[in-house]
This record gives sequence, structure tokens and C-alpha cells, in this order.
Amino acid sequence: QVQLKESGPGLVKPSETLPLICSVSGDSMTDYYWSWLRQSPGKGLEWIGYISHRGDTNYNPSLKSRVTIEVDTSKGQFSLRLTSVTAVDTAVYYCARGIFYAGGRVGRFDPWGQGTLVIVSS
Amino acid sequence: EIILTQSPGSLALSPGERATLSCRASQSVTSGYLAWYQQRPGQAPRLLIYGTSSRATGIPDRFRGSGSGTDFTLTISRLEPEDFAVYYCQQLDKSPYTFGGGTRVESK
Repeated sequence: QVQLKESGPGLVKPSETLPLICSVSGDSMTDYYWSWLRQSPGKGLEWIGYISHRGDTNYNPSLKSRVTIEVDTSKGQFSLRLTSVTAVDTAVYYCARGIFYAGGRVGRFDPWGQGTLVIVSS
Repeated sequence: EIILTQSPGSLALSPGERATLSCRASQSVTSGYLAWYQQRPGQAPRLLIYGTSSRATGIPDRFRGSGSGTDFTLTISRLEPEDFAVYYCQQLDKSPYTFGGGTRVESK
């Protein structure tokens, strides 16, 4: 059974870069899209972006200029880098597995990691 | 982007009662790309329904998804104590994939 776990700093200073890693266990990374999402009281649930095992990416346009998602299948990991963070980036960050629907596009996110709280503050 | 509006914002019901949750989209969503998630306090969202009406692995049949176009519904036929939680709909038809604001189902 696949499991995902996020790791990274719980506190990041404004204007700095937020780095997170998601470790995947229990399944191959092939044939899925590996995704980052976040949840904050102000903005609710927000999809950040995803990456395929081949490295194809799709980002939320609202964050695209600040986001990089990379994958390392040999380590069973994928990562998120969010640059120039501000207080509005304070949120619980989740990683999740994106599963294809019949049409060849992502149709659902399942499962999700437990989430990691990131606070942006000096 | 597609905006999803969930109603009601909260619902107070007793165990054994039926819950009907609505998700309305600002434009038509292909039925294969509408999902529902449950989030209990302190936990990550958990997939309940995908493709509008398909239950995820391990989800009991008291959860039923339906709808088409811009109107979708999650029905919980008989509420169990563990069903009191927040429920979110999500569309994955058009990027950026968006979520509704959630419906909180609480115990009366």
C-alpha cells in the first residue's frame, strides 16, 4: 500500500525559499502524477502542481513563477521549491499521488500524505 | 478557472440521518473529473468519490456521488459517527484544478 510523507522546515523567513520533499513508499512512481497541494485558513485547499515520473510538469498559474517540482525516482522522492515566500504562503502542505482517469488525464488524488505545517515568519 | 461553490456551508444532523451535499461549478465539468474528499479534524483529506460516482477503495456504499454538467451531489445515506467531518469537491477537468470551500457535517 503506497504511503507518502512530507518533510521540510516548519519555519521559513519571508522572501526565502521553501523546500519540501515527499517520500513515496510501497509503490512504483511510474504511471502516476506526483502532486503538491496546500491548505490555509484563508484560501482553503489549493492545488500547486504535479510532475510525472518522466519529469513532465503542470503548475497552477497563480504560483507558476515561484514553483519548481522535481522528481527523483531512484530515491522514491519528489520535491517542491517555492521561492520568495510571504505570510500568505503559510499553510499545511500535502503531497499526493495523482491517478489517471480513462481519458489519460489525472482524475483524482489518492492517497495524500499526512501534511506538514509551514509557517512563514521572521 | 472553474469556481466550485459548495452548499450548505454546514449541516447539523443526527447519526442515522441522510446528508445531501451540493457542489455547483461555474462552468461545465466533465463527469470523469469530479471528485469528493472527506477531511476529519487533524487529518489529511481522504478520497471518497472519483469520476462523479465511483467510490474509492474501502469507501462504504452509504456514500453516493451523482450529478453532471455544473451540478453535483454527495449523499450519505445514513450518517455514522465517523462521518462527521468536512467534505470537499474538486474538479480536475481544467487546470488549475480547484476545490470547493467545503461543507462541514456536524452532529446535532
